[in-house]
Amino acid sequence: EAGVAQSPRYKIIEKRQSVAFWCNPISGHATLYWYQQILGQGPKLLIQFQNNGVVDDSQLPKDRFSAERLKGVDSTLKIQPAKLEDSAVYLCASSRKGNNSPLHFGNGTRLTVT
Amino acid sequence: SQQGEEDPQALSIQEGENATMNCSYKTSINNLQWYRQNSGRGLVHLILIRSNEREKHSGRLRVTLDTSKKSSSLLITASRAADTASYFCATDAMDSNYQLIWGAGTKLIIKP
Repeated sequence: EAGVAQSPRYKIIEKRQSVAFWCNPISGHATLYWYQQILGQGPKLLIQFQNNGVVDDSQLPKDRFSAERLKGVDSTLKIQPAKLEDSAVYLCASSRKGNNSPLHFGNGTRLTVT
Repeated sequence: SQQGEEDPQALSIQEGENATMNCSYKTSINNLQWYRQNSGRGLVHLILIRSNEREKHSGRLRVTLDTSKKSSSLLITASRAADTASYFCATDAMDSNYQLIWGAGTKLIIKP
């Protein structure tokens, strides 16, 4: 099966600019996750979708981050405006049955904010 | 606070030796998962072990779970250079509505 696709692979922007990341999960996976991973740390959940509904967005900085999953398939994550501390790798993952089944990760988008 | 914490933070061994990493957690769980992350890549699922299981094997990997001690270990036998990566455990914490909580990982280096 095809894996989780993410784009772009790398992005460099200046602070206060906006940026968007795209994710296409594995076909048939109902659960989609966006994680932020800062160098040397484990992934931090930003938002979890079940189909096109939000399950958990408690750690999403909603004043600047937004995410949507239209039609319960592809998803986009947006940051507007970006801050220096947003520099990180943004990982998308999907799973068949939520947290009781393995997560499949994309290779991530490395964001650098200057 | 971290639900899952791996130790050691870093481990460097010779190729062919066994590598053991540990994960401790704080609250009751349904399952615990181990993942590998190669540099610049996404995480890859290795093993999921449920709270009623004590041990699982997958190739050269052996995972144990001790719910009384709230800890798990990942053993990689006969290590290879390709095993060089960071290893993370993730637990679904009952007191966090079963959301996955990740540790900071163990960075494993296999020296040729």
